[in-house]
Amino acid sequence: NAGVMQNPRHLVRRRGQEARLRCSPMKGHSHVYWYRQLPEEGLKFMVYLQKENIIDESGMPKERFSAEFPKEGPSILRIQQVVRGDSAAYFCASSPPTVRDTEAFFGQGTRLTVV
Amino acid sequence: GQSLEQPSEVTAVEGAIVQINCTYQTSGFYGLSWYQQHDGGAPTFLSYNALDGLEETGRFSSFLSRSDSYGYLLLQELQMKDSASYFCAVISSNTGKLIFGQGTTLQVKP
Repeated sequence: NAGVMQNPRHLVRRRGQEARLRCSPMKGHSHVYWYRQLPEEGLKFMVYLQKENIIDESGMPKERFSAEFPKEGPSILRIQQVVRGDSAAYFCASSPPTVRDTEAFFGQGTRLTVV
Repeated sequence: GQSLEQPSEVTAVEGAIVQINCTYQTSGFYGLSWYQQHDGGAPTFLSYNALDGLEETGRFSSFLSRSDSYGYLLLQELQMKDSASYFCAVISSNTGKLIFGQGTTLQVKP
């Protein structure tokens, strides 16, 4: 039973390029979270999605960032026109329909470096 | 909004007991979770409290007081491998989203 799979593990982009981060949740999980983490800092909530629906995107920057979780395929976090400040580790977590009585499972993260 | 406060660093020796506190403010609260993260790797779940009281899982225990908006993680018989970052996280009853504190770096010394 594979865990949460994120790819790529490392991504290097030049300023102005687009970054696409993928997250395949655990089997049977219909909900996905995305977090951003800077070195020595906490996990900053970005967006909470279920298939074909954004539940809460209160942590997403208003511009350049978007997320989706289609009916088929992985969840995608998309960052357009990347800037140096976007360099961070991006973690995805998945859970069953409610995380209230269970745990969220995390992927290994994607380390984005903008040069 | 939501905010969580926890100490940034804690140091203890092998075999000791350490308590990591977490206070929270949230609009809509369902439960408090704790996660462990080693060296920037994938955070892993440790415990969850929805009701007041103490939950024990082996060497780790977690406590919640909803009236005080306060919880703690208790680590007993510390081992070197317990050196890691520990995050408290609040589950919002409004949307179900999981919000994390800034994390506490625990350093266990011989």
